[in-house]
Amino acid sequence: AQSVTQLGSHVSVSEGALVLLRCNYSSSVPPYLFWYVQYPNQGLQLLLKYTSAATLVKGINGFEAEFKKSETSFHLTKPSAHMRDAAEYFCAVIFDSSNDYKLSFGAGTTVTVRA
Amino acid sequence: KAGVTQTPRYLIKTRGQQVTLSCSPISGHRSVSWYQQTPGQGLQFLFEYFSETQRNKGNFPGRFSGRQFSNSRSEMNVSTLELGDSALYLCASMSGVSTDTQYFGPGTRLTVL
Repeated sequence: AQSVTQLGSHVSVSEGALVLLRCNYSSSVPPYLFWYVQYPNQGLQLLLKYTSAATLVKGINGFEAEFKKSETSFHLTKPSAHMRDAAEYFCAVIFDSSNDYKLSFGAGTTVTVRA
Repeated sequence: KAGVTQTPRYLIKTRGQQVTLSCSPISGHRSVSWYQQTPGQGLQFLFEYFSETQRNKGNFPGRFSGRQFSNSRSEMNVSTLELGDSALYLCASMSGVSTDTQYFGPGTRLTVL
C-alpha cells in the first residue's frame, strides 16, 4: 500500500542548530512530493515541492529538501533554526498524478526551538 | 490575489445535527479539495471538485457530501453529526493541474457535543 512516513513526531532543536525532518514514501513510481508547515490555529502553507525537476529543492524561509529515489526519501532541512520555525511540518505526496490529485499526508512532526 | 477563505471559522453543533461549511478558492482556481484533520487520524482527504464535478473521493461515509458552484465556491455538508466528526476541516484550491500547488484556507473548527 502507498504510504507516507515521517520519522519522529516531535523534534527539539536549539536556535541556530540544524533542523532535519525525515520523510519516506512507499511507491514504485516517483511521485510528486511536498512539505507544508502549519502554525497554531492556521491552515497549511507550502514550503516547497518536488515535481521531477532538480532533486534538491529550495523553498521558503531557508528550507530545502532533497529527493532520493533510491531511498524513497524527501527529507527537509534548514541549516540554522529560528524561533519562528516552531510549528508542525507535514510531508505530503501525490502518488498517481495521472488519476487524481489528492494529497496523502504523513502524520506530521512538531518542531520546538529552544532559545 | 486574495487567499482561500473558509466560513465559518468555528462551529459548535450537537450530535444528530447537520452542518454546512463553505470555501471560496483563489480567483481563477477551478479545483477545490476538502481535508479533515484530527489528532488521531491526521490529515485525510475527503473529496475534490473540479468545474462543478466531483473528480475524486476519499474513504468517508455518505454523511459527508459536497458540491461546487459555477463560481468555483464549494460547500461541504455533514449530516447526522457524530462526536468523531469533531475536527478541523481544511479546503485547498488549485488551478486544476496535478503539479500545481494546493493552497489551503485557515480551516473551520467543528466541535460536536
